[in-house]
Amino acid sequence: QVQLQESGPGLVKPSETLSLTCTVSGYSISSGYYWGWIRQPPGKGLEWIGSIYHSGSTYYNPSLKSRVTISVDTSKNQFSLKLSSVTAADTAVYYCARRTGTGAQEFDYWGQGTLVTVSS
Amino acid sequence: EIVLTQSPATLSLSPGERATLSCRASQSVSSYLAWYQQKPGQAPRLLIYDASNRATGIPARFSGSGSGTDFTLTISSLEPEDFAVYYCQQRSNWPPLITFGPGTKVDIK
Repeated sequence: QVQLQESGPGLVKPSETLSLTCTVSGYSISSGYYWGWIRQPPGKGLEWIGSIYHSGSTYYNPSLKSRVTISVDTSKNQFSLKLSSVTAADTAVYYCARRTGTGAQEFDYWGQGTLVTVSS
Repeated sequence: EIVLTQSPATLSLSPGERATLSCRASQSVSSYLAWYQQKPGQAPRLLIYDASNRATGIPARFSGSGSGTDFTLTISSLEPEDFAVYYCQQRSNWPPLITFGPGTKVDIK
């Protein structure tokens, strides 16, 4: 059973960098698939942040591209998100998920999500 | 950029009724559309991929149809656990982008 678990600080100060890690169990990242981050501001809809392949190829939402870095550590079976220069608008539940590489490129397994609040 | 529109925003129905949710794309996405269910405090759950294929473990009362720009998620007979928010999602080749619709809330009448 594929499981994903987000971890990282729940509170980040404005202008600082948000850093989250997703630990995958039950599946080796090196075996394939894409791995992504999605966020959801409180009471709002879902926004794709970006995705990474096990080789390290990345795809980012153009609206966030200048501030986002997604990386992968296959030795730890983890992938990570960094979002720089955060503001209150970046307050959201952040999900990591596994993404297929074909068709709709849907997300078939999700972490439980972690709330990150941007506040001084 | 392809924009997804979902209607209605809210659907008020009773258990046992049929639910029909719509997702419309601003340009053709072929059959590259997925549907998710999200309950309060939970992560989204994949229901349908490639417009009409049920994901693993999804009950047969959920079905998807459509292609091009117009898609439908149908729940044939609502169970109490089906009251939730439903999102559609597509991917575009250029720019390489994944987008979600704004969601339809199915609540109890």
